[in-house]
Amino acid sequence: RKEVEQDPGPFNVPEGATVAFNCTYSNSASQSFFWYRQDCRKEPKLLMSVYSSGNEDGRFTAQLNRASQYISLLIRDSKLSDSATYLCVVRRMDTGRRALTFGSGTRLQVQP
Amino acid sequence: DAGVIQSPRHEVTEMGQEVTLRCKPISGHDYLFWYRQTMMRGLELLIYFNNNVPIDDSGMPEDRFSAKMPNASFSTLKIQPSEPRDSAVYFCASSSATFGYTFGSGTRLTVV
Repeated sequence: RKEVEQDPGPFNVPEGATVAFNCTYSNSASQSFFWYRQDCRKEPKLLMSVYSSGNEDGRFTAQLNRASQYISLLIRDSKLSDSATYLCVVRRMDTGRRALTFGSGTRLQVQP
Repeated sequence: DAGVIQSPRHEVTEMGQEVTLRCKPISGHDYLFWYRQTMMRGLELLIYFNNNVPIDDSGMPEDRFSAKMPNASFSTLKIQPSEPRDSAVYFCASSSATFGYTFGSGTRLTVV
């Protein structure tokens, strides 16, 4: 079983739609959580961190459920420029391991 | 700040040849990571360094792969001999305790 699992999509949505992505992680020692965005043929870039109480950044809202080991990302009022792959990312702290573990990503295509 | 610099951007080589990928991390970052990305397996951690010392190389596929970090401003990932299944995008990333990951633009390797 992969440490971080995501629905690969693609999610095809019209402009202005609200779309939600989910992610599950298998290791309960995971302590830090992030969403990264990766455009086609580009490097991943940090979209936002995910905090236990949930957090919002403009049109983007991230939620964490530690009990269910589940992370979500909600995008409201989708723009064409939101088309990308969204990577769910976790970091374990049990062994002091600083490296991030990436999910395979969920592809979003926003259509006009 | 120039960001994380990787070279070459693209590499095409014949099976059996030695390939060397290069990375210059952001000045002041004390962690350096090498990742490999393929369609089938997503982003996989190969190895990471802290203060130039390899900390976790459990992701290195086999003895054909080796990585070095002779100083704080330079790292190499070497594949010898290369095989077609090594074809992928190789990303280098750096971070410090107070900053998140910054990825380089990647090296797209094709082994024919």
